[in-house]
Amino acid sequence: AQKITQTQPGMFVQEKEAVTLDCTYDTSDPSYGLFWYKQPSSGEMIFLIYQGSYDQQNATEGRYSLNFQKARKSANLVISASQLGDSAMYFCAMRLIHGSSNTGKLIFGQGTTLQVKP
Amino acid sequence: DTEVTQTPKHLVMGMTNKKSLKCEQHMGHRAMYWYKQKAKKPPELMFVYSYEKLSINESVPSRFSPECPNSSLLNLHLHALQPEDSALYLCASNFELAGDYEQYFGPGTRLTVT
Repeated sequence: AQKITQTQPGMFVQEKEAVTLDCTYDTSDPSYGLFWYKQPSSGEMIFLIYQGSYDQQNATEGRYSLNFQKARKSANLVISASQLGDSAMYFCAMRLIHGSSNTGKLIFGQGTTLQVKP
Repeated sequence: DTEVTQTPKHLVMGMTNKKSLKCEQHMGHRAMYWYKQKAKKPPELMFVYSYEKLSINESVPSRFSPECPNSSLLNLHLHALQPEDSALYLCASNFELAGDYEQYFGPGTRLTVT
């Protein structure tokens, strides 16, 4: 079964420190994409970072990096130098091909609530 | 313009009302999505349109009726909803369904059914 798992319902981090949010996935497809989104209390989902299954390098976008370990089927998000504005819910997601329509859709993990302490 | 807009921001409706949610994007995206999200839960996919045609319906009850009048606009018509349909409704779009393109999300409509 294709599945995304986030095992940390809530995390705390001190401002300016780094934090890792865990994500594991399960799929038998050789081609897939992994995404991380941030959702502040306002509700909007904000795209952070993407990793393709064939990408050799770990993705990085500013303070965000994705620790991609394909053999372990994990795609952890690392946020460096945490800021108060990083307090939000974070979702890991995987793109799947949907049945006979061959259209892509995202499945999401349960999310991790991150709180940054001053 | 890299924005998805949604109106209204908030909506309160009775179980016998008919209302519509609207979503708009002008990024030239050809895939558009409706999600439903309950508090502290991940978004659940409802519908996907690709090139203005319904591509995915995730077994959504018929009291939710999507419509894609043109490539920039996506509507969700609501009729005879139940209190358990109260949720945040998110619209999203991306370049196209094939390939790994990020989805751009709108700010959502917070729906309360009384």
